[in-house]
Amino acid sequence: GENVEQHPSTLSVQEGDSAVIKCTYSDSASNYFPWYKQELGKRPQLIIDIRSNVGEKKDQRIAVTLNKTAKHFSLHITETQPEDSAVYFCAAPSWVNSGGYQKVTFGIGTKLQVIP
Amino acid sequence: GAGVSQSPSNKVTEKGKDVELRCDPISGHTALYWYRQSLGQGLEFLIYFQGNSAPDKSGLPSDRFSAERTGGSVSTLTIQRTQQEDSAVYLCASSLIGLLETQYFGPGTRLLVL
Repeated sequence: GENVEQHPSTLSVQEGDSAVIKCTYSDSASNYFPWYKQELGKRPQLIIDIRSNVGEKKDQRIAVTLNKTAKHFSLHITETQPEDSAVYFCAAPSWVNSGGYQKVTFGIGTKLQVIP
Repeated sequence: GAGVSQSPSNKVTEKGKDVELRCDPISGHTALYWYRQSLGQGLEFLIYFQGNSAPDKSGLPSDRFSAERTGGSVSTLTIQRTQQEDSAVYLCASSLIGLLETQYFGPGTRLLVL
């Protein structure tokens, strides 16, 4: 099955600096990699995702890069703001035998603190 | 439109009792997921429904856990003979077609087993 490792588990940055969170995965068949943001006491929400046919995707201050050869993908947040403070989760689907995608594995999460 | 809803929002139960958690996905979403999130922890995948069927139930923590979905809509997660270690937030999510797209999460059910 899929194994997703995420690091760092906590990250503190000064407002305006950049933050980078990295995930590695084990299932070479995985081809969809989302990132979710969970603010304290709230539900997770998708912030960006990438499919294996591209190497990078950007949405304003947020970007995701994918290296399929090395099996890792990273979340980049530039010009961080206090409202970026949250827990960020990466995820990857697992292909199970001939049954298709049947499972999603999430990373353990990264608690990002942006210091004003 | 309405998002994913879950009920109850909070549930306190005694050890050994059965509990039933409900999830109403976004209308028209064929895929539905259950996760467990313990305090300060990540999202533990429990089960995935495509329509009414769950291809893989190996993510359920034990045989005390079961889930069903009827009519391709509402799903229930049942925990029998609850244990204190079952205390967690149970999150439901849905997506339009399947795993390779955005999941929309519900607010969760916070379960406390005394």
